[in-house]
Amino acid sequence: NAGVMQNPRHLVRRRGQEARLRCSPMKGHSHVYWYRQLPEEGLKFMVYLQKENIIDESGMPKERFSAEFPKEGPSILRIQQVVRGDSAAYFCASSPVTLNTEAFFGQGTRLTVV
Amino acid sequence: AQTVTQSQPEMSVQEAETVTLSCTYDTSESDYYLFWYKQPPSRQMILVIRQEAYKQQNATENRFSVNFQKAAKSFSLKISDSQLGDAAMYFCAYRSGAGNNRKLIWGLGTSLAVNP
Repeated sequence: NAGVMQNPRHLVRRRGQEARLRCSPMKGHSHVYWYRQLPEEGLKFMVYLQKENIIDESGMPKERFSAEFPKEGPSILRIQQVVRGDSAAYFCASSPVTLNTEAFFGQGTRLTVV
Repeated sequence: AQTVTQSQPEMSVQEAETVTLSCTYDTSESDYYLFWYKQPPSRQMILVIRQEAYKQQNATENRFSVNFQKAAKSFSLKISDSQLGDAAMYFCAYRSGAGNNRKLIWGLGTSLAVNP
C-alpha cells in the first residue's frame, strides 16, 4: 500500500505564473488535508477536503489559492499568480473515514518562486 | 482559538543521554489529542507519539515518552538513550476531538542535534 504521494517534489515558478500541486491519498482514504510550512516555521493548516467537497477552508488565503478533490484523481492545490511569499513547503495528509486513525503525511512539495 | 507553543528553538544532547522537549498549549476544549512529530532532513512528517486528553496515563513508544500535565496544559517529550538518527526537527501538535476534522495546530518546532 503506497503512502501519500505528492508531486512534484520540487517546483520552481516565476512570479505571476500558476502552480499546481498534486496529492494522491493512500488507498482507501477519502479525506485530504493541505498544510503550508514557511521557512523556519511550523505547519499551518490550509484546507480539509473530502471527495468532491471542501469541508474546512479556514486556513486558505482568500485570493489566488484554491483546492479540489475530485471523485476521480488526485487532490490539487492551485496557486494563481504566484508571488515570492508563496515560496514554502506544501504538505498533504490523508486519512480514512475511521475516526480513531490519524492522517498520514506525504513528503511535501517545495515551491520556489523566482 | 487553540495555540501550541514550543519555547526551545534548538536543543542538543549527547548520544545515549536523555533529552526533554517542552510544549505548552492553550484550549478551552475538554476532548482533544496531542502529538509529537519528527521531521528529518527528508522533510517527511513522522508521527512519534499520540496522547488522548481523556487518558491520564502518559503515552510511551519505545524510547519516546511524554509527560502530559493536563491542568498545566503541558506536553513534553522525553527521548531516552538518544541516537544519531533522532536528530531532526520535532513538532508538537494539537487537534480537537470533536467531529471528524483531523486538522492539526502546530508549534514552531524544536531542532534537536545529537552529538556523538
